[in-house]
Amino acid sequence: NAGVMQNPRHLVRRRGQEARLRCSPMKGHSHVYWYRQLPEEGLKFMVYLQKENIIDESGMPKERFSAEFPKEGPSILRIQQVVRGDSAAYFCASSPERDEQFFGPGTRLTVL
Amino acid sequence: AQRVTQPEKLLSVFKGAPVELKCNYSYSGSPELFWYVQYSRQRLQLLLRHISRESIKGFTADLNKGETSFHLKKPFAQEEDSAMYYCALQKAAGNKLTFGGGTRVLVKP
Repeated sequence: NAGVMQNPRHLVRRRGQEARLRCSPMKGHSHVYWYRQLPEEGLKFMVYLQKENIIDESGMPKERFSAEFPKEGPSILRIQQVVRGDSAAYFCASSPERDEQFFGPGTRLTVL
Repeated sequence: AQRVTQPEKLLSVFKGAPVELKCNYSYSGSPELFWYVQYSRQRLQLLLRHISRESIKGFTADLNKGETSFHLKKPFAQEEDSAMYYCALQKAAGNKLTFGGGTRVLVKP
């Protein structure tokens, strides 16, 4: 099992562009969580998804951010019209039913 | 809302010395508590959880509900213990994790 995969590992965007971050969960895992880590801070929860459903989006900013986990393919975290404050490391975790979360290597987003 | 506090950003100890990482939480219910570790250039991984009551790599952590703490301890630190450590709380299995700010441990030879 290759573990949770995230791509790209590094992403550079200019202000106003869109950023798409992908997360492929471990085989057999149907739960995906997204976390954001700002510089010098801990990880902050953003959204929890199961296949085709958003279970908890209490940590998602109200505007510009969206997430999906389609029936086929990876989970996508989408940030529209990025601003400098979106620069952070974005981590995805997956788990089987109500069990340990396994983390991916993260995507480091830099907004110029 | 739940909160996790790790008061030390950096702990520097000599090899063979004891190390204790503090973690305090605020939550009115009975949460699940975890310690995660991130070694250099590796992904975040679970070190231990309070319900398993295990000792992993010589580390132990005791949940003190009266003091709402879940401190991580190791009696004799090793150089390979140098890493970033995060305490995390989960309201119930399957829910989101709430992380503390992290403590960087540096074990000097």
